[in-house]
Amino acid sequence: GENVEQHPSTLSVQEGDSAVIKCTYSDSASNYFPWYKQELGKGPQLIIDIRSNVGEKKDQRIAVTLNKTAKHFSLHITETQPEDSAVYFCAASISGANSKLTFGKGITLSVRP
Amino acid sequence: DADVTQTPRNRITKTGKRIMLECSQTKGHDRMYWYRQDPGLGLRLIYYSFDVKDINKGEISDGYSVSRQAQAKFSLSLESAIPNQTALYFCATSDPTGSYGYTFGSGTRLTVV
Repeated sequence: GENVEQHPSTLSVQEGDSAVIKCTYSDSASNYFPWYKQELGKGPQLIIDIRSNVGEKKDQRIAVTLNKTAKHFSLHITETQPEDSAVYFCAASISGANSKLTFGKGITLSVRP
Repeated sequence: DADVTQTPRNRITKTGKRIMLECSQTKGHDRMYWYRQDPGLGLRLIYYSFDVKDINKGEISDGYSVSRQAQAKFSLSLESAIPNQTALYFCATSDPTGSYGYTFGSGTRLTVV
């Protein structure tokens, strides 16, 4: 089955700097890659996703890039703010009738004021 | 009202007790999932259901059971709770293809003493 690796487990950046979180996946058939943000005391929330037919997608300060050859995808957050501090999960799946997401272990992002 | 509602939000129970965690969703989706979150281990799938008549084990189903009472309701039971089932439990729902992201509930923090 699919295996999604997410490293490192923690990341600390200065407010205003950029943050990049990387994930790798094992199944070359995976074609859907969402990112979730989990704030303290809340459930994970979808923030952005990308499908295998595109290489990059942006939404304001966040972007996701996908390298199918290397089987990795990354979340980019620019101009980080304290409210970006959270746990971020990447995931992968193969779209279709039996689709299930496989999640990475999560990374805790801390934005220092 | 939240799209996915989990009850209770917090629960402390004793070893050996039976406990049920409940989940209901208003998204109108057929697919529902139960995940467990532990520090450093990310989100692990316990059970999932693709429709009312479909129940499937996830990667860590031992010690758990589920019931899909209706399209909108999916309950998780611990038949005889043990301390290593202390964790944060999340219910989620997704569209029929599973490829438009999951909507998670706010979680149930379960402590087994």
